[in-house]
Amino acid sequence: NAGVTQTPKFRILKIGQSMTLQCAQDMNHNYMYWYRQDPGMGLKLIYYSVGAGITDKGEVPNGYNVSRSTTEDFPLRLELAAPSQTSVYFCASSPGLAADTQYFGPGTRLTVL
Amino acid sequence: AQTVTQSQPEMSVQEAETVTLSCTYDTSENNYYLFWYKQPPSRQMILVIRQEAYKQQNATENRFSVNFQKAAKSFSLKISDSQLGDTAMYFCAFMNPLESRGANSKLTFGKGITLSVRP
Repeated sequence: NAGVTQTPKFRILKIGQSMTLQCAQDMNHNYMYWYRQDPGMGLKLIYYSVGAGITDKGEVPNGYNVSRSTTEDFPLRLELAAPSQTSVYFCASSPGLAADTQYFGPGTRLTVL
Repeated sequence: AQTVTQSQPEMSVQEAETVTLSCTYDTSENNYYLFWYKQPPSRQMILVIRQEAYKQQNATENRFSVNFQKAAKSFSLKISDSQLGDTAMYFCAFMNPLESRGANSKLTFGKGITLSVRP
């Protein structure tokens, strides 16, 4: 199993550009999550999904959108990128029960200039 | 809302020695889960250890163990026989396991502590 994979690893965007961060897991997990990590801080939840077709907002959803058309994939869309979205983005998944351990991807470092 | 506090921004330890990382949290819940995650320079978040609040016995994983004090809302991580590969940022995290369309299944993280292991 590859676990949780994320692409790209690094990206630089100009203000106002859009992009999609890809996340995939091959563990057949129902729950998937997107977090952002700002320098010197812990992770904050952007969006999460409890299964294909079901998504919901986390703590910091503004400026982002998600979709979950399959169990495996959970892309994060940034529309009209802003410097405040410069961060490291982590995708995670867990099997199903809310208390299950979350498995993290390697992260995507995004810089908006 | 839950909060997780890691008051030490960084620590250093000599290789082969023992170090303890502190974490406190605040919650009104009685049942919950606590985690320690390791984030090495590769940036990937790696689960170190997990503790269920209803269990009185402290969790142990090889060289890693916790001191869980529920009444004091304290959850410290002890690393024994420190190795150079333990150098990383360590995050304490809290999870409320209530099934509410996942709304309470999110992890609440502390700010993290940078641990350096000296050769």
